[in-house]
Amino acid sequence: GAGVSQSPSNKVTEKGKDVELRCDPISGHTALYWYRQRLGQGLEFLIYFQGNSAPDKSGLPSDRFSAERTGESVSTLTIQRTQQEDSAVYLCASSLKTGEGQPQHFGDGTRLSIL
Amino acid sequence: GESVGLHLPTLSVQEGDNSIINCAYSNSASDYFIWYKQESGKGPQFIIDIRSNMDKRQGQRVTVLLNKTVKHLSLQIAATQPGDSAVYFCAEKPDTGNQFYFGTGTSLTVIP
Repeated sequence: GAGVSQSPSNKVTEKGKDVELRCDPISGHTALYWYRQRLGQGLEFLIYFQGNSAPDKSGLPSDRFSAERTGESVSTLTIQRTQQEDSAVYLCASSLKTGEGQPQHFGDGTRLSIL
Repeated sequence: GESVGLHLPTLSVQEGDNSIINCAYSNSASDYFIWYKQESGKGPQFIIDIRSNMDKRQGQRVTVLLNKTVKHLSLQIAATQPGDSAVYFCAEKPDTGNQFYFGTGTSLTVIP
């Protein structure tokens, strides 16, 4: 399909380990967003990319979180020294461009569980 | 900070009835709004959007109404079907910046 693809779909890891989550946006979409969704909650904005640059990192919860994007395509969200409160579904979305009222198209997320 | 909230966290309707899901937003400068549907284990799925220069927009079985005076958004689903059972989120985008603000969601259950 041509939708947003995220991997892995599920990740279980021990507290203190590092994890890397991947997002493949829709081809041609220049804007890419990462969100966190805790159980039964709404979406919490983490970071967005316009092309390969991230002008807004204000949503990252701590310095253990980082993200990068290359080739105006795939993006990775890295969480270092994971904590139990990091357990959540991490959603990626892409859109044609930021602003100007472009709808975001979401992947199915990575369900992260920290033991 | 931004505040996008929903009046009712859960809604149950009979199959075939119309559903109305409401959303309040706090930023009068928001100029773009989206409704999403999220089924269990899946990412949010775009349903319909509306810009602030409109007060109504219709799609297939869905209508979004925007009342800027009271900062209220609603999603109407006609002839609700079991497949409509999901959590529905509204999202707003202020006229500055590129961040969307999401509500906490309303869980819609359709009773056959």
